Amino acid sequence: NAGVTQTPKFQVLKTGQSMTLQCAQDMNHNSMYWYRQDPGMGLRLIYYSASEGTTDKGEVPNGYNVSRLNKREFSLRLESAAPSQTSVYFCASSVSNQPQHFGDGTRLSIL
Amino acid sequence: RKEVEQDPGPFNVPEGATVAFNCTYSNSASQSFFWYRQDCRKEPKLLMSVYSSGNEDGRFTAQLNRASQYISLLIRDSKLSDSATYLCVVFTSGTYKYIFGTGTRLKVLA
Repeated sequence: NAGVTQTPKFQVLKTGQSMTLQCAQDMNHNSMYWYRQDPGMGLRLIYYSASEGTTDKGEVPNGYNVSRLNKREFSLRLESAAPSQTSVYFCASSVSNQPQHFGDGTRLSIL
Repeated sequence: RKEVEQDPGPFNVPEGATVAFNCTYSNSASQSFFWYRQDCRKEPKLLMSVYSSGNEDGRFTAQLNRASQYISLLIRDSKLSDSATYLCVVFTSGTYKYIFGTGTRLKVLA
């Protein structure tokens, strides 16, 4: 049982490049989330999907887009990467008000 | 005011000590509460959910005070392996959002 799987685990980009972070869960959870965590700071919500077919902005959505491809998959896209987007990105999933389950994270550096 | 507030610490305690963390939340409609543990920028891992009646899991005890809008985590007989950052998380039904505190850092010293 893999839980929440994120790919890639590490990535280095140049400013202006684009990329998509992938997230998949096998727990049949309805809700999925993308967070970023910067050094010395807490988790900040970028986007979330309460259920398949819906997505909503979180606290820091600028510069990102998301796609809830199906119930299992929720991707995060950086259209034109900026150094300020250097961070660790976590994907999470949950059912209603139950605890979230997190992926291992993607460590993204933008030069 | 932040929705969820924690003392960032660090709390430096000797092995075997008892240590307690508090976390305050601002939304009185919040319904679910959790403590997570995070090691050195790895993914947060659920430590325990917090129930209205309080709950215990081994050396860990969590309590909820709705009137004062805070939750607490007590760790007894601290181990070196307890060194980590402890995150308080609050969920409000209808918002689908989990609000994270910035975490309290614990260092258990030999």
